[in-house]
Amino acid sequence: GAGVSQTPSNKVTEKGKYVELRCDPISGHTALYWYRQSLGQGPEFLIYFQGTGAADDSGLPNDRFFAVRPEGSVSTLKIQRTERGDSAVYLCASSFGQEGTQYFGPGTRLLVL
Amino acid sequence: QKEVEQNSGPLSVPEGAIASLNCTYSDRGSQSFFWYRQYSGKSPELIMSIYSNGDKEDGRFTAQLNKASQYVSLLIRDSQPSDSATYLCAVYTTSGTYKYIFGTGTRLKVLA
Repeated sequence: GAGVSQTPSNKVTEKGKYVELRCDPISGHTALYWYRQSLGQGPEFLIYFQGTGAADDSGLPNDRFFAVRPEGSVSTLKIQRTERGDSAVYLCASSFGQEGTQYFGPGTRLLVL
Repeated sequence: QKEVEQNSGPLSVPEGAIASLNCTYSDRGSQSFFWYRQYSGKSPELIMSIYSNGDKEDGRFTAQLNKASQYVSLLIRDSQPSDSATYLCAVYTTSGTYKYIFGTGTRLKVLA
């Protein structure tokens, strides 16, 4: 596709459940980023992939969060044992190389009840 | 000290006026600077990037960079109500593996 796509656009789940959020970057973009954004805040960095490997996962808040990018394209952010505090918009962005301009997907709005 | 700082606003300007949005950053070695616009409920979209000291103009938008003062700004001329959004400053730093740092954004309101 022409831009970054994310699915689902909205996800409502119950506390303690497991969720997966998917990101499909722009074709040819080697760098992929996951962010979390709460109301009134800027994007908070979670994890950055260069190709298939996680180059920096220092932003993941705890071990309930995990992300993969097995073939260097699509990435999945996985959240185990969700908590109400995980409710936020999860943004994915991709760029051609780490220094390239980042292009954002539409985000997944996660609500944990 | 936050690595990228912006006034959260809201900044209110009348229609047709110049809106001036400011951003300071702490890493003196930073080389690339970006302004994103984010409408409520939408994802950020790139408006401008700037890499050298001075001004860079694109239509009604002008980005200004002063590396000595560690300061980057965005001017919006002839502001329109459709410019009402949150403007995010992002800086590509030299430290760490992940290098993109976003500010918290400035909310701009253009009054008709």
